[in-house]
Amino acid sequence: GNSVTQMEGPVTLSEEAFLTINCTYTATGYPSLFWYVQYPGEGLQLLLKATKADDKGSNKGFEATYRKETTSFHLEKGSVQVSDSAVYFCALCPLNRDDKIIFGKGTRLHILP
Amino acid sequence: IAGITQAPTSQILAAGRRMTLRCTQDMRHNAMYWYRQDLGLGLRLIHYSNTAGTTGKGEVPDGYSVSRANTDDFPLTLASAVPSQTSVYFCASSDGQSSYNEQFFGPGTRLTVL
Repeated sequence: GNSVTQMEGPVTLSEEAFLTINCTYTATGYPSLFWYVQYPGEGLQLLLKATKADDKGSNKGFEATYRKETTSFHLEKGSVQVSDSAVYFCALCPLNRDDKIIFGKGTRLHILP
Repeated sequence: IAGITQAPTSQILAAGRRMTLRCTQDMRHNAMYWYRQDLGLGLRLIHYSNTAGTTGKGEVPDGYSVSRANTDDFPLTLASAVPSQTSVYFCASSDGQSSYNEQFFGPGTRLTVL
């Protein structure tokens, strides 16, 4: 079946460090892939997405590339800020549009000043 | 534009009591969803509605019911609350039935069942 696996947190980094949060998926065909972010006390919001292989999604300095060969969609940012502290969710939408989006378990990120 | 509102913000409830969590959106989105968020388990879909008048079961529907009488409102009811339903509940909506469309989330309801 379809599934998403992302690295367990919490991840703690110093400000201006490089960030990678790993995400791999299992799915039939070529799903769409997403990263959602949840800031403290809020609901999730879409950070970026990619709908086909080799697409790169980007927003707010974050990037993720849809890698079909490694079934991955790792989230990266070159220089994190304290305001990036949040929980990040990788998610996929199956090829079958009647199926619902599947979320990973989330990775909590702490950025130290 | 409010987006999605949920009420109450938090609630402490005695086991066995009935509780309805409210969700309203003003974006005229067709699809709406209820999730629960638990530590270590991420987000799990409880129920969904592709359009007004229709509902469907998600991954963890037992103990919950929903209705979709109109486009804007999607209440979630716990008929007889149990401690395992202690969680943070999020309502979401999207424009269209396809999960390819971005989902917009409410701020959540933190529910504690004692």
